[in-house]
Amino acid sequence: EAGVAQSPRYKIIEKRQSVAFWCNPISGHATLYWYQQILGQGPKLLIQFQNNGVVDDSQLPKDRFSAERLKGVDSTLKIQPAKLEDSAVYLCASSSGLAGGPAKNIQYFGAGTRLSVL
Amino acid sequence: SQKIEQNSEALNIQEGKTATLTCNYTNYSPAYLQWYRQDPGRGPVFLLLIRENEKEKRKERLKVTFDTTLKQSLFHITASQPADSATYLCALYSSASKIIFGSGTRLSIRP
Repeated sequence: EAGVAQSPRYKIIEKRQSVAFWCNPISGHATLYWYQQILGQGPKLLIQFQNNGVVDDSQLPKDRFSAERLKGVDSTLKIQPAKLEDSAVYLCASSSGLAGGPAKNIQYFGAGTRLSVL
Repeated sequence: SQKIEQNSEALNIQEGKTATLTCNYTNYSPAYLQWYRQDPGRGPVFLLLIRENEKEKRKERLKVTFDTTLKQSLFHITASQPADSATYLCALYSSASKIIFGSGTRLSIRP
């Protein structure tokens, strides 16, 4: 089966510009996650969707970050305007999210988008 | 506040030895815990899952323990190989499926 697809792989922008990342999860996976991973740190959850509803966005800087998952399939994460501290890898992951215990939350990650803000 | 700590320094061990990585947590009551492997330039890959009522899980050369009294999980790789060199992440899940990842431990296996 195809894995989680993300694009672009790399993006370089100047501060105050806008940027968008796209993610296509594994077919049939109900849960989709966006993470920010700063160099040398673990992934930090930004937002979690269950189908097209938001489960957790408590760590999403809502003044500049937004995300949507129209039709409960693919998703877009946007930053507007970008700051220098937004330089990081943005990871998308999906899990089946179906009933049946913890295995439903095994996450499958894409390769990520490396963002550099100059 | 909730906190997860993994080995703060990179771990360097000789090929063939057992690598042991730690994941300690505070102010958190995880229902279960996962371990992932991450190679440079790639996303994390799932390895093992252990529930709060399980003491130990094994998969081939990998073993995970979970001690809710000590608030600690240990991840072991036996008969380590250079191909095991990577960053290893622990992730804790609450009963409400809230997720927190640790900062990871970089493991290097020298031939």
